[in-house]
Amino acid sequence: QSVLTQPPSASGTPGQRVTISCSGSSSNIGSNTVNWYQQFPGTAPKLLIYSNNQRPSGVPDRFSGSKSGTSASLAISGLQSEDEADYYCASWDDSLNGYVFGSGTKVTVL
Amino acid sequence: QVQLQESGPGLVKPSETLSLTCTVSGGSISTHYWNWIRQPPGKGLEWIGYIYYSGRTNYNSSLRSRVTMFLDMSKNQFSLKLTSVTAADTAVYYCARDVRGADNFDLWGQGTLVTVSS
Repeated sequence: QSVLTQPPSASGTPGQRVTISCSGSSSNIGSNTVNWYQQFPGTAPKLLIYSNNQRPSGVPDRFSGSKSGTSASLAISGLQSEDEADYYCASWDDSLNGYVFGSGTKVTVL
Repeated sequence: QVQLQESGPGLVKPSETLSLTCTVSGGSISTHYWNWIRQPPGKGLEWIGYIYYSGRTNYNSSLRSRVTMFLDMSKNQFSLKLTSVTAADTAVYYCARDVRGADNFDLWGQGTLVTVSS
């Protein structure tokens, strides 16, 4: 059972906007930054968003992140077929003194 | 550019010790935080722990009694040992870098599947 809660799935048609939520608590999201990782089948996760809303070099600007209180969100605007992947949120947890991940959300492009 | 590569046995017997090594190329291991993360087949990610370049470690409390991590500066490698493994330890194991600590994993190895079975 993951410390951070994500919906198991999300979907949209090409061009649509899809949003994925990540719910935590005061010891993790409430007091630390949130990162998002993208993972394609059979490959390692890749850092997609860091420090709540920053994109590493090379990540398209249609990916955006936000945080409010003990929750965070990842938005994909202008959804494309190549965005079909699993997405994980993650944060440091002060109570556990370690990293915690969300359960992951599978995005399907219809 | 900096790359990470995991290596080690793909099959471990129950009750034995899982041992993996991550080789860092294109950069030095004598800085940053070096992590191990695992993913059971079809499931989510679990942080195992990190070792700082100074040798300081921090392990997931759920695994702490069975985990040891260490550095080999001469080979630019860091390693993981997990004792008394069971089938529940079957997973893809990733090594990953965290530049500043309690921050993010900006660089990952490709992962290696370890199966626990007799």
